[in-house]
Amino acid sequence: DAMVIQNPRYQVTQFGKPVTLSCSQTLNHNVMYWYQQKSSQAPKLLFHYYDKDFNNEADTPDNFQSRRPNTSFCFLDIRSPGLGDAAMYLCATREGRGTDTQYFGPGTRLTVL
Amino acid sequence: GENVEQHPSTLSVQEGDSAVIKCTYSDSASNYFPWYKQELGKGPQLIIDIRSNVGEKKDQRIAVTLNKTAKHFSLHITETQPEDSAVYFCAASKVRNQFYFGTGTSLTVIP
Repeated sequence: DAMVIQNPRYQVTQFGKPVTLSCSQTLNHNVMYWYQQKSSQAPKLLFHYYDKDFNNEADTPDNFQSRRPNTSFCFLDIRSPGLGDAAMYLCATREGRGTDTQYFGPGTRLTVL
Repeated sequence: GENVEQHPSTLSVQEGDSAVIKCTYSDSASNYFPWYKQELGKGPQLIIDIRSNVGEKKDQRIAVTLNKTAKHFSLHITETQPEDSAVYFCAASKVRNQFYFGTGTSLTVIP
């Protein structure tokens, strides 16, 4: 059974048109992460939530925002997508304090036209 | 911040041979080192991990070694099979809210 679910799997948007990517988890984990992965590159952490506590990476552009309305769901909002934002966006979870393992979702591939 | 380097970027081996992927890290305070396998169109999947209080860990055909003094760790896959073909990422973590990934190794196992 899928534990970290990302919807949609493929998203096409237009330059400058806001887009929201969704992640949900059935693991009841405290921590949720969003990563950006460009072609043939390593995943790059954008931000994470520990419960409701939001933590932004210093080099994450302001164009990227996130919401976590409850434990199960986390959203990535890209306010004005540029061509350089085309990438795979990965959501991951971790149980919380005292645990190490991250569980990744299958990713959403974003295309910006 | 942490800097993780990974080599080689591509690796081809004959089925049944061994594959070795190496990573180095810069922050001596890093204490957790996972390895992920990523197949095309899928998210990374944890295959093995090691903590800094251990020098080696093995799980069937997969093993990881850690040299804290030299700040490097390696993934060893023995008796490779075509289904081992994928991109492999190493990562390092000091606090579990931040994971730093290597640049990946594309492994091809030739039947």
